[in-house]
Amino acid sequence: KQEVTQIPAALSVPEGENLVLNCSFTDSAIYNLQWFRQDPGKGLTSLLLIQSSQREQTSGRLNASLDKSSGRSTLYIAASQPGDSATYLCAISSNTGKLIFGQGTTLQVKP
Amino acid sequence: GAGVSQSPRYKVAKRGQDVALRCDPISGHVSLFWYQQALGQGPEFLTYFQNEAQLDKSGLPSDRFFAERPEGSVSTLKIQRTQQEDSAVYLCASSPLAGGPVLDTQYFGPGTRLTVL
Repeated sequence: KQEVTQIPAALSVPEGENLVLNCSFTDSAIYNLQWFRQDPGKGLTSLLLIQSSQREQTSGRLNASLDKSSGRSTLYIAASQPGDSATYLCAISSNTGKLIFGQGTTLQVKP
Repeated sequence: GAGVSQSPRYKVAKRGQDVALRCDPISGHVSLFWYQQALGQGPEFLTYFQNEAQLDKSGLPSDRFFAERPEGSVSTLKIQRTQQEDSAVYLCASSPLAGGPVLDTQYFGPGTRLTVL
């Protein structure tokens, strides 16, 4: 059974810092991995999707990497801003399309 | 609005009551998913529809939970005889593609926060 773990559970950094969020999974037979952002009281917004054949994806200040063999993914956020404060979730897509989520990392960026 | 909408946004129920949660997916989206998110946790899969067919209901926690999508668009998640452990945010997501490995993202609604007293 696929299990997804995110470390740390919470993170507080000063504005401008670069930071890394970690995600690990137990079964390397994945189809793709996604990183989502969740703001309080709102739904999830997809940030980056990495296909199983890819190693990384970039969007603006965000870069996500995928290492299937070690069962790990990282989300790198450059030059963090207060507006980046949110909960970040990684999710593995199964062969049926359903998503298996980690428990999330709650990020606070202080001005 | 072109996004996924859910209603009600908030629901308070007394233990033992039945509740119905509605999801309006993006028009034309084939796939629809329901997830349950407990406080401080990531969402957990409940059930999946491809058009009107419920292809996977392996995540439904008990036979008190029932979902339908009779015309392949709007979906309703019904919980009978609610219990306190049912308190959670219920998220709906839709995708334009049919089942199988997701090549496109799922688009999530804002969720319904259910509190069972």
